[in-house]
Amino acid sequence: SQELEQSPQSLIVQEGKNLTINCTSSKTLYGLYWYKQKYGEGLIFLMMLQKGGEEKSHEKITAKLDEKKQQSSLHITASQPSHAGIYLCGADGIQGAQKLVFGQGTRLTINP
Amino acid sequence: DVKVTQSSRYLVKRTGEKVFLECVQDMDHENMFWYRQDPGLGLRLIYFSYDVKMKEKGDIPEGYSVSREKKERFSLILESASTNQTSMYLCASIRQGGSGYTFGSGTRLTVV
Repeated sequence: SQELEQSPQSLIVQEGKNLTINCTSSKTLYGLYWYKQKYGEGLIFLMMLQKGGEEKSHEKITAKLDEKKQQSSLHITASQPSHAGIYLCGADGIQGAQKLVFGQGTRLTINP
Repeated sequence: DVKVTQSSRYLVKRTGEKVFLECVQDMDHENMFWYRQDPGLGLRLIYFSYDVKMKEKGDIPEGYSVSREKKERFSLILESASTNQTSMYLCASIRQGGSGYTFGSGTRLTVV
């Protein structure tokens, strides 16, 4: 079965700094999703990547899927307190199955 | 705005009780999912459903059952609650062939 490994598991950065979260898959990714979760709440959809080399941005958050479609990175530029939370990557385990598997999450803390 | 609604944000139940967690979506989605989220383990799939009255086991179905009598409603049942079922439970839905799962706000269940 497909497994997703996120790194780092937790991250503390100073407000205004840039940061990167990685998500590595044991198998080819057919669809890679990034979600954000505020503490104790549900998941908010950020972006979906499907094609090798694809890159998407939303405000100060950019996500990329590598050419081999086995690794994705999430980059935040000039971090703000509103970026704090848990970031999770999820992937379709089998193409077309629409059954997501998730990484264990990265807990991001922004210090003022 | 599309929505997945979980009936309770917080629940406290006693060991041995039968517990019902309700999830309703208003998007006419075919596919619905129940996950549990635990620290260090990420989200793990309990059960999912591709259509009314259809259900399939996820990765950790033991101790749980589900019911999908109507398209919009997917219920998770803990037949006899145990303390190791204390967790955050998240419901999600997606249109068949769609991209971007929509999650509910979660139900934090404590079994004492």
